[in-house]
Amino acid sequence: NAGVTQTPKFQVLKTGQSMTLQCAQDMNHNSMYWYRQDPGMGLRLIYYSASEGTTDKGEVPNGYNVSRLNKREFSLRLESAAPSQTSVYFCASCRGNQPQHFGDGTRLSIL
Amino acid sequence: EDKVVQSPLSLVVHEGDTVTLNCSYEVTNFRSLLWYKQEKKAPTFLFMLTSSGIEKKSGRLSSILDKKELFSILNITATQTGDSAIYLCAVERTSGTYKYIFGTGTRLKVLA
Repeated sequence: NAGVTQTPKFQVLKTGQSMTLQCAQDMNHNSMYWYRQDPGMGLRLIYYSASEGTTDKGEVPNGYNVSRLNKREFSLRLESAAPSQTSVYFCASCRGNQPQHFGDGTRLSIL
Repeated sequence: EDKVVQSPLSLVVHEGDTVTLNCSYEVTNFRSLLWYKQEKKAPTFLFMLTSSGIEKKSGRLSSILDKKELFSILNITATQTGDSAIYLCAVERTSGTYKYIFGTGTRLKVLA
C-alpha cells in the first residue's frame, strides 16, 4: 500500500525561485491537507481541500498556492521562495472523521 | 483563540521507565483528540479519543481523555529505545476555518 506519496523528498532552492511539491494518495480519501513543521511550532496548516474542486486557506497560507488536480492529487506551489519558507512540508489525507494519514514529508531549504 | 498545549516539551528516560505525556486544549466545537507518533518521517496514528474517561490501550501505550478538565494523557509503560520519537497531540473541531489544531509535540528520548 503506497498510502500518501510526496515528491520530492528533499529540495534546495534559491530565494525567488518557484517550485511545486506533489502529493498523491491512493486511499480514495476526500480530504487532503498541506502542513509545514518547524522546530518548536508543531504542525501548521497551510491549505486544505475538503473535496475535489475545493480548496481553503489554513493558518499560514501566505506565499503558497494549491491545486486539487483530481481526487488523488493535491499540489503545493511556492511562486517566489523566501528563506522563511525553509521547513519540512507534510501532506495528509483522510476520509470523513477518520484520522489523517501522512506522507513522509519534503525537506525544503531556501538559501 | 483555540490552542493545544503539550507538556513537557522534551523528556529523557531510561529503558523500563514509565512516562506520562500531557495535552491540554482550549478549543471550540470539539469533536475528538488524536495522538500521533513521529519518528524520522511521517506522523503515524496512535489513538483517537472522543469520550471522557474511556481508556484506549495498545500494547504498552494507553490514553485517556477528560472533557471536563480539557486534557488528555498518553502513558507509555516499560519504555524501550524504539519509543524514542516526537509525540503529537491534535484536536479535531466540528467546524471552523480548519479542522485540526496540533500541539508542538513532546520529544521523548529513551536511553538504553
